[in-house]
Amino acid sequence: QKEVEQNSGPLSVPEGAIASLNCTYSDRGSQSFFWYRQYSGKSPELIMFIYSNGDKEDGRFTAQLNKASQYVSLLIRDSQPSDSATYLCAVTPMDSNYQLIWGAGTKLIIKP
Amino acid sequence: DAGVIQSPRHEVTEMGQEVTLRCKPISGHNSLFWYRQTMMRGLELLIYFNNNVPIDDSGMPEDRFSAKMPNASFSTLKIQPSEPRDSAVYFCASTRDGYQPQHFGDGTRLSIL
Repeated sequence: QKEVEQNSGPLSVPEGAIASLNCTYSDRGSQSFFWYRQYSGKSPELIMFIYSNGDKEDGRFTAQLNKASQYVSLLIRDSQPSDSATYLCAVTPMDSNYQLIWGAGTKLIIKP
Repeated sequence: DAGVIQSPRHEVTEMGQEVTLRCKPISGHNSLFWYRQTMMRGLELLIYFNNNVPIDDSGMPEDRFSAKMPNASFSTLKIQPSEPRDSAVYFCASTRDGYQPQHFGDGTRLSIL
């Protein structure tokens, strides 16, 4: 059973601090990794994707991938109240080029 | 460019009624996904189409659910008869050639009374 695990939270972070969200996956052959943000009552919105080991930066967001340890993380610098949302981690399993295995999401709260 | 368009945004109906959800994928995307999201089960893939052909329908919960994609710009998800346990948010997403990332529509919030 392929799984993606996330801490459900809520994760509470003060405004301006760094929020760190983590995700582990069970399929060692997974190749593609995605972070989606979902505001309450809204649809998932793609924030970052990463394919290679290491860091990928986009503005205030950094995705980190460590395939040997089977984890992927999302860092949000200078957290803003507008970053408060549920963050979903999704992973493409080795035996599929379309399927996504979804984590249950981490609820992030940025406190002013 | 327009994103994935879903209709209706909200649907409230009584148990036993037929429900039809609609989706227009992003122009040029030839892969379409129907998802269901609940608090208990999170996001579940119901069915995946590629070039209008159903490739993976293993997530369709039972025969009451059916999906069609008659052309590249339109898909429907039908529930007949509907049951209260079908209440959920149903999302449609599309990609180019099945490769990620997936782009989601705004969803249909379905309530079966």
